[in-house]
Amino acid sequence: NAGVMQNPRHLVRRRGQEARLRCSPMKGHSHVYWYRQLPEEGLKFMVYLQKENIIDESGMPKERFSAEFPKEGPSILRIQQVVRGDSAAYFCASSPASGLAADTQYFGPGTRLTVL
Amino acid sequence: GDSVTQMEGPVTLSEEAFLTINCTYTATGYPSLFWYVQYPGEGLQLLLKATKADDKGSNKGFEATYRKETTSFHLEKGSVQVSDSAVYFCALSDLLIQGAQKLVFGQGTRLTINP
Repeated sequence: NAGVMQNPRHLVRRRGQEARLRCSPMKGHSHVYWYRQLPEEGLKFMVYLQKENIIDESGMPKERFSAEFPKEGPSILRIQQVVRGDSAAYFCASSPASGLAADTQYFGPGTRLTVL
Repeated sequence: GDSVTQMEGPVTLSEEAFLTINCTYTATGYPSLFWYVQYPGEGLQLLLKATKADDKGSNKGFEATYRKETTSFHLEKGSVQVSDSAVYFCALSDLLIQGAQKLVFGQGTRLTINP
């Protein structure tokens, strides 16, 4: 059973460009979470999605950031017009909808975004 | 809101030393508590968890007990190895809508074990 997949692992963008980060959850998991880790800090929750629905985006900046989890395909975190402060590691996690493991999130390897 | 406070690092120990990394939390409800480990350049791996008061989570020689009276979840290991060098994150689950839970993380503690 493959784990959570994220790509790309490393992404370099110039200021003003767009960044697209992809996440495929573990098989059988329908809940996807995105977190951001700034250098030398802990992870901060950004958004929680289920298929075709954003459930909670309370941790996501109001401008330039968006997320989706379409019926088919991976979840996408999109950052428009990137700035240097967006440089961070972005982690995706997934969990099953129910059952004993529903409170446990499994993390992908992360995408490290560098904005020049 | 809910929060997690971890012992500040970095922590440097010699191989076979006893390890304690302190973690305390504030929460309005009854969260589950977790320790995650992050090796250099990698994502987070679940190390152990506890879902209710007095539960003890354990894995790979690491242990942590959910102490409701002191709101703590300290990580311990009796004899550390060089391979335990990593960053350790304490976290709690905070309820979102529709039954899902987000994780609230501490700032992380960098652990280095010298041979």
